[in-house]
Amino acid sequence: AQSVTQLGSHVSVSEGALVLLRCNYSSSVPPYLFWYVQYPNQGLQLLLKYTSAATLVKGINGFEAEFKKSETSFHLTKPSAHMSDAAEYFCAVSGGSGNTGKLIFGQGTTLQVKP
Amino acid sequence: DSGVTQTPKHLITATGQRVTLRCSPRSGDLSVYWYQQSLDQGLQFLIQYYNGEERAKGNILERFSAQQFPDLHSELNLSSLELGDSALYFCASSVLAGPEGTQYFGPGTRLLVL
Repeated sequence: AQSVTQLGSHVSVSEGALVLLRCNYSSSVPPYLFWYVQYPNQGLQLLLKYTSAATLVKGINGFEAEFKKSETSFHLTKPSAHMSDAAEYFCAVSGGSGNTGKLIFGQGTTLQVKP
Repeated sequence: DSGVTQTPKHLITATGQRVTLRCSPRSGDLSVYWYQQSLDQGLQFLIQYYNGEERAKGNILERFSAQQFPDLHSELNLSSLELGDSALYFCASSVLAGPEGTQYFGPGTRLLVL
């Protein structure tokens, strides 16, 4: 069975500082991995996705993530945090048995950006 | 705007009642997914339809059912509602049925059961 673990339910950074949100996955098959962002009272917006084409994936709003098979990780980073990055971030995996696109989500990480 | 629409945005009802949530996928998307987001369970996959057929089932209660119509819109029916069913229900759509497809999420329907 597939699973996702996001380390740290809350992360706080200063504006301009590096953002690092951690995600580890478990999958018996090559996974497809996703990062979504959820702003208050809104739906989920796709930041980026990994589909095995390249291990370093660039997404929207300056975010990127690196797939590390040996560490079963897919951490999300952004060099310089902006106030508008404050939101909840979800890592998700798909690709398990049955060839369905159902997403298995982590518990989410709330990013706080301090001025 | 993802192109996925969900109605209603908010729903307040009483225990024991039945409600229907509606989802219209992005133009051209054949696959529709339903997810439930609650404080204690997080984001949970409920069910997937592809071109009118049920494709995958997750942790969906027997009191819940869904269908996808010929025009590809989908409805999630929740019956015999309990307090614990209060949650945010998301619909997502994708062109593809499999894991490589990108899912685009609607704004959600917030259900409050009193």
